[in-house]
Amino acid sequence: GAVVSQHPSRVICKSGTSVKIECRSLDFQATTMFWYRQFPKQSLMLMATSNEGSKATYEQGVEKDKFLINHASLTLSTLTVTSAHPEDSSFYICSAPGLLGKNIQYFGAGTRLSVL
Amino acid sequence: AQKITQTQPGMFVQEKEAVTLDCTYDTSDQSYGLFWYKQPSSGEMIFLIYQGSYDEQNATEGRYSLNFQKARKSANLVISASQLGDSAMYFCAMRESYSSASKIIFGSGTRLSIRP
Repeated sequence: GAVVSQHPSRVICKSGTSVKIECRSLDFQATTMFWYRQFPKQSLMLMATSNEGSKATYEQGVEKDKFLINHASLTLSTLTVTSAHPEDSSFYICSAPGLLGKNIQYFGAGTRLSVL
Repeated sequence: AQKITQTQPGMFVQEKEAVTLDCTYDTSDQSYGLFWYKQPSSGEMIFLIYQGSYDEQNATEGRYSLNFQKARKSANLVISASQLGDSAMYFCAMRESYSSASKIIFGSGTRLSIRP
């Protein structure tokens, strides 16, 4: 079964609205969660690293005021795309490191965002 | 800065044949981890195999093996006896340092198509 639950799986919204994507770690605590964006036929690009109880670390070129990340608990991280525009349409995936000593990175199922 | 290079955008292989997907990386760190993920059309990221930089033996997981050549900075994925279900995108990825909280960077991917 999935160890990282990501919702929604698909969202269609109008330009100018905000969209929130949730990622929950199931049965384990995730002090760190990574957010990636993937455009069609391209690779996963890391957007930011969220850390429970502190500010997220954004990659160069990612607007932190547009992509708001909150990691309020050890099992929940959220990404909010504010004032979404068509160019924000993409596949967003969250990921959390596995348990200490394990080298697996767990991924959510992804959210396909379409901005009209 | 770390970098992952996958030079094969696409590959076609006959069913039951073995296939090698190339991956080279660049890092100045001594401690790092290398991953291979499979991404079918559904978008989910499926972990295949992991190799730590200090691991002396090549990693193997069922039909998957990682040909790790540290001096050449290459980490090729070998799939033996390919199956139709192996058709997907394959991403090589690297985590700089052994800490599970370190970010993972992905290569551009290889689209593998298995012919019946």
